[in-house]
Amino acid sequence: DGGITQSPKYLFRKEGQNVTLSCEQNLNHDAMYWYRQDPGQGLRLIYYSQIVNDFQKGDIAEGYSVSREKKESFPLTVTSAQKNPTAFYLCASSNNRNTEAFFGQGTRLTVV
Amino acid sequence: AQSVTQLDSHVSVSEGTPVLLRCNYSSSYSPSLFWYVQHPNKGLQLLLKYTSAATLVKGINGFEAEFKKSETSFHLTKPSAHMSDAAEYFCVEAGGYQKVTFGTGTKLQVIP
Repeated sequence: DGGITQSPKYLFRKEGQNVTLSCEQNLNHDAMYWYRQDPGQGLRLIYYSQIVNDFQKGDIAEGYSVSREKKESFPLTVTSAQKNPTAFYLCASSNNRNTEAFFGQGTRLTVV
Repeated sequence: AQSVTQLDSHVSVSEGTPVLLRCNYSSSYSPSLFWYVQHPNKGLQLLLKYTSAATLVKGINGFEAEFKKSETSFHLTKPSAHMSDAAEYFCVEAGGYQKVTFGTGTKLQVIP
């Protein structure tokens, strides 16, 4: 079945540690996105990538990094520079037009 | 800058009664508009989309939305609410993959 897979579903991180969230898609989509979701704030764009080996900052990129070495994969690293990383993170992919985005099931990150 | 306004953060209806979730967009041109549904701790699922074809769009699970350019609105409706409809709903405008704008969401409560 085609889809987009995020792992892990739940992740706990100690303060000062970097952590990487996985996102894989087999939909052959060119574009991939990372969003952060906080209660009452909707979704905010962290990074997006239109094509392999290229990515752009979104609205809240500070404290995050990404890579796009393969079309299928767009991992997100939450660095220790991110001051308030506890949130629900959603990965999505789409074709490079005004078409709908397909979302993964999300990763809930908690800093302990 | 484009913006999407979901006029109600919470909507409560009785089971079997109609649902109306309101959304206004800001673009002066004809946008691509979407409604997504999110159940707790899950990813977003596409309900329906408008891409400049028919102004009345039918989606999954009995939902539909009407694009009204004169009112810059794209309200989501359903004739009869079901308990399984309780979730958070997002209105989204796409103006190219780097210009996807999410509303802040409407939480729908369905009372038995």
